[in-house]
Amino acid sequence: GAVVSQHPSWVICKSGTSVKIECRSLDFQATTMFWYRQFPKQSLMLMATSNEGSKATYEQGVEKDKFLINHASLTLSTLTVTSAHPEDSSFYICSASLILAGHNEQFFGPGTRLTVL
Amino acid sequence: DQQVKQNSPSLSVQEGRISILNCDYTNSMFDYFLWYKKYPAEGPTFLISISSIKDKNEDGRFTVFLNKSAKHLSLHIVPSQPGDSAVYFCAASRNSGGYQKVTFGTGTKLQVIP
Repeated sequence: GAVVSQHPSWVICKSGTSVKIECRSLDFQATTMFWYRQFPKQSLMLMATSNEGSKATYEQGVEKDKFLINHASLTLSTLTVTSAHPEDSSFYICSASLILAGHNEQFFGPGTRLTVL
Repeated sequence: DQQVKQNSPSLSVQEGRISILNCDYTNSMFDYFLWYKKYPAEGPTFLISISSIKDKNEDGRFTVFLNKSAKHLSLHIVPSQPGDSAVYFCAASRNSGGYQKVTFGTGTKLQVIP
């Protein structure tokens, strides 16, 4: 149980285009989902917290107009990288929150590799 | 400001021996600590966690130790197996706005040599 999927697993796009990444909780409902970004040989950096039915909460330094987040249902959150540029190339990972044994655990998706040419 | 630090970027251990991965944190508001295992181009997989009210948690070959006074935790893997080779992330969480906000360390790449 507690499986999180991401689609697509990798994407290559031209500079200036927009890319949408989907994050789904397959066997549970997640009120809260998180979006992370990982650069090579670096840690996972939290970009934003996505709450179902409300606006996302962005971390300091993350442009909300650049990285659009929509959490339309309890099993789906989407991250849209608008007008992508080569510096947006990265590994994007989502996670979904689930309460287990009284504690909020996060279960991670497999990640999406974005390459902007 | 790196609130969770893993000072060893890599570690090599012989199969069958103990692997010890270390982690230090600076924020005393963290109340839950986790270890994740990650392979390249994959999402992190949860390994083991520990609440700040405990000092040890064991699950099979994996044991996590927490020293709150030193703001230090460690993950022990014994015996180490070649399949344990991966990047291990230490993470710490605290309640923020009703959810647990997780901060990750920079990772330690473990190589278990057969």
